[in-house]
Amino acid sequence: DAMVIQNPRYQVTQFGKPVTLSCSQTLNHNVMYWYQQKSSQAPKLLFHYYDKDFNNEADTPDNFQSRRPNTSFCFLDIRSPGLGDTAMYLCATSREGGRITGELFFGEGSRLTVL
Amino acid sequence: QKEVEQNSGPLSVPEGAIASLNCTYSDRGSQSFFWYRQYSGKSPELIMFIYSNGDKEDGRFTAQLNKASQYVSLLIRDSQPSDSATYLCAGSMEYGNKLVFGAGTILRVKS
Repeated sequence: DAMVIQNPRYQVTQFGKPVTLSCSQTLNHNVMYWYQQKSSQAPKLLFHYYDKDFNNEADTPDNFQSRRPNTSFCFLDIRSPGLGDTAMYLCATSREGGRITGELFFGEGSRLTVL
Repeated sequence: QKEVEQNSGPLSVPEGAIASLNCTYSDRGSQSFFWYRQYSGKSPELIMFIYSNGDKEDGRFTAQLNKASQYVSLLIRDSQPSDSATYLCAGSMEYGNKLVFGAGTILRVKS
């Protein structure tokens, strides 16, 4: 089945130890997003790619970086995680010009805990 | 600051009742609105979207949009225990796919 796959599903890391989360998609969607969702809070957009064009949200910390080497893959790098970065990280895709503008297809999420 | 506001709940309704979930937004330029359902520990899934003022029905779900009042709602008829989840309201603040989410309303349907 076509889907959005995130790895790892669960990650525990030490304060300051870099972590990379991955996302792959078989939907061939041109837009990919990374959202951060803390407990009982709204998903917050960190950045998104429109094809290869990277779009960073103004309030996304510099500690967060992203790479999209090809259409199918996208990575979230947290260079020096702090305790406040403990959250669920959601990857989503959409197809610009698709049937429903704004329909996002989410992966299962990567739950990150920083100790 | 472009915001989407929801009552966090929990909203408790008995099985078979109508659940009414509400959402307000601050940006008058918002074009379209979405309701996503999120089960605990899972990712959000789209259940309804609405672009135009008025009502839109899809099975047991009805979305309502009032752009003059900057208000969006979701009605769930014949609520089932399986509807128990967090419901996220999201708005597209510009043409395109970038969404701003509310924090969600927890719905509990009691059997």
